[in-house]
Amino acid sequence: GENVEQHPSTLSVQEGDSAVIKCTYSDSASNYFPWYKQELGKRPQLIIDIRSNVGEKKDQRIAVTLNKTAKHFSLHITETQPEDSAVYFCAALNSGGYQKVTFGTGTKLQVIP
Amino acid sequence: KAGVTQTPRYLIKTRGQQVTLSCSPISGHRSVSWYQQTPGQGLQFLFEYFSETQRNKGNFPGRFSGRQFSNSRSEMNVSTLELGDSALYLCASSWSTDTQYFGPGTRLTVL
Repeated sequence: GENVEQHPSTLSVQEGDSAVIKCTYSDSASNYFPWYKQELGKRPQLIIDIRSNVGEKKDQRIAVTLNKTAKHFSLHITETQPEDSAVYFCAALNSGGYQKVTFGTGTKLQVIP
Repeated sequence: KAGVTQTPRYLIKTRGQQVTLSCSPISGHRSVSWYQQTPGQGLQFLFEYFSETQRNKGNFPGRFSGRQFSNSRSEMNVSTLELGDSALYLCASSWSTDTQYFGPGTRLTVL
């Protein structure tokens, strides 16, 4: 089955700096890679996703890159703000297949004002 | 569309009891997955139901079970509760195998 590794487990950055979270996956059949943000006491919410037919996707201050050959994908947050503080989860799945979604172990991001 | 809803939101039980949690997916979604989340832990996959059939199962003991009804609503049941079952239980719905949308969760406390 799919295995997703996520690093780092914790990350502290100064407000305004950039943050990068990296994930690797094992199953070459995976073709859809969503990222979720979970604020304290709240549900995980989708913030950005990427499919295997593109290498990069941006949405304002967040971007995701995908390297299919190396089987890794990364979340980039620029100009971080205190409200970016949360736990971020990456995931990998074969969209259209029947395997379950596999989540990374999460990264706790702290943005220091 | 209304989002994923879960009931109850909070539950307190004692060891040995059983509990049933409910999840109503987004209209049109046929897949419902359940996750256990403990403090500082990630999302531990319990099981996934699709069109009333369990399609995937995680590594949890048989005390954890679930089902899905014809309207895609899903329930999970935990029998013979243990202290270690205290957690946030999240369900997520999706149309098939794609973007998952999470409910607010049920926080279960076992005393």
